Amino acid sequence: QSVLTQPPSVSAAPGQKVTISCSGSSSNIGNNYVSWYQQLPGTAPKLLISDNNKRPSGIPDRFSGSKSGTSATLGITGLQTGDEADYYCGTWDSSLSFVFGGGTKLTVL
Amino acid sequence: QVQLQESGPGLVKPSQTLSLTCTVSGGSINTSRFFWSWIRQPAGKGLEWIGHIYTSGSTKYSPSLKSRVTMSVDTSKNQFSLKLSSVTAADTAVYYCAREAIFGVVPRWFDPWGQGTLVTVSS
Repeated sequence: QSVLTQPPSVSAAPGQKVTISCSGSSSNIGNNYVSWYQQLPGTAPKLLISDNNKRPSGIPDRFSGSKSGTSATLGITGLQTGDEADYYCGTWDSSLSFVFGGGTKLTVL
Repeated sequence: QVQLQESGPGLVKPSQTLSLTCTVSGGSINTSRFFWSWIRQPAGKGLEWIGHIYTSGSTKYSPSLKSRVTMSVDTSKNQFSLKLSSVTAADTAVYYCAREAIFGVVPRWFDPWGQGTLVTVSS
């Protein structure tokens, strides 16, 4: 069981918006930066959002990140079929380890 | 741009030591800006951070694996390595190496990642 809690799955229609939540505690999200990763089927994870809300070069502005207290949220607008993937949040935990959420599978209906 | 590539045996016997190497290209591993990490993912499951190493050889390991993990770096070859001892079937996973940005000595994010290599523990 992951220290960070994500919904197992979310879905939405093409063109719509979806949000993925990542819930933690003061031991992790509350006091550290959150990053988000996209893992397309059969590929390695790819950094989507760094430092809570920063998009690396090449990441479309359809992707956004936010953090409030002990929770973080990934937002994706203008959904495309190519966005179907697993999404993971991650942050440092006071247990002295970097921890990831359990992952959320996005289905674009 | 920086690219990472894992290499090593795809099959390891139980109780033996898993050994992997990550080769960094397109940039020097000898940089003060980043650490170098190993992350694994069992089939159909989530990601697990194993630990990281700095160019100086300084390491930090996940507490759950600390007793079995050793990481090393070879700046002359632009490589860093992972050894995991006393493996069991539970260590079967895709192993990724990644470049890690830090805040102080705490990981912030991982980018880029290698393509991953599947290691199966079986007799």
